[in-house]
Amino acid sequence: AQSVAQPEDQVNVAEGNPLTVKCTYSVSGNPYLFWYVQYPNRGLQFLLKYITGDNLVKGSYGFEAEFNKSQTSFHLKKPSALVSDSALYFCAVIPASGSARQLTFGSGTQLTVLP
Amino acid sequence: DGGITQSPKYLFRKEGQNVTLSCEQNLNHDAMYWYRQDPGQGLRLIYYSQIVNDFQKGDIAEGYSVSREKKESFPLTVTSAQKNPTAFYLCASSTQGATVNTEAFFGQGTRLTVV
Repeated sequence: AQSVAQPEDQVNVAEGNPLTVKCTYSVSGNPYLFWYVQYPNRGLQFLLKYITGDNLVKGSYGFEAEFNKSQTSFHLKKPSALVSDSALYFCAVIPASGSARQLTFGSGTQLTVLP
Repeated sequence: DGGITQSPKYLFRKEGQNVTLSCEQNLNHDAMYWYRQDPGQGLRLIYYSQIVNDFQKGDIAEGYSVSREKKESFPLTVTSAQKNPTAFYLCASSTQGATVNTEAFFGQGTRLTVV
């Protein structure tokens, strides 16, 4: 069975500093990886995805993520954090092949950017 | 506009009552999902459907039921057998089959409270 781990429940960073939100995964075969963001009492919004190709993927709002196959990681990064980036972030994985594929989410990381 | 709509936004249920949460999408997506979100636990999969008239149990299906009679609709019934139904419920949809590498789209959620 596949799984996603987000080891930090909470990440605090000062505005203007770089941010990293960590994600590791476990899946049979190759993964498709996703990052989503959630604001209070709202649904999830898609940020970026890794399917194949370049290990560094760029997404919405200046976010990027680096796929590392040997470490089975897909950390979310941003060079300069904004207060408006404060939200709940979810990493998700789905197997690239096989039957009955389903999207599995991590437990989420609350990002707080301090002014 | 294309999208996925959940209703109602807030729902109150008395002990022993069944309630049905609505989810409708006009994105022409084959796959639809129901997730439950509790604080600190991320998203847990309740049921998913990859095609009309077919659905599979997720990780926490007990006390829930679904139907998929139309491609656009995937209602979730929370039955009286669900002992702790108070949570935030999220519906999502995505393409399936060869294009499973596309991201899922989420509704705005339904907050269910037992009174």
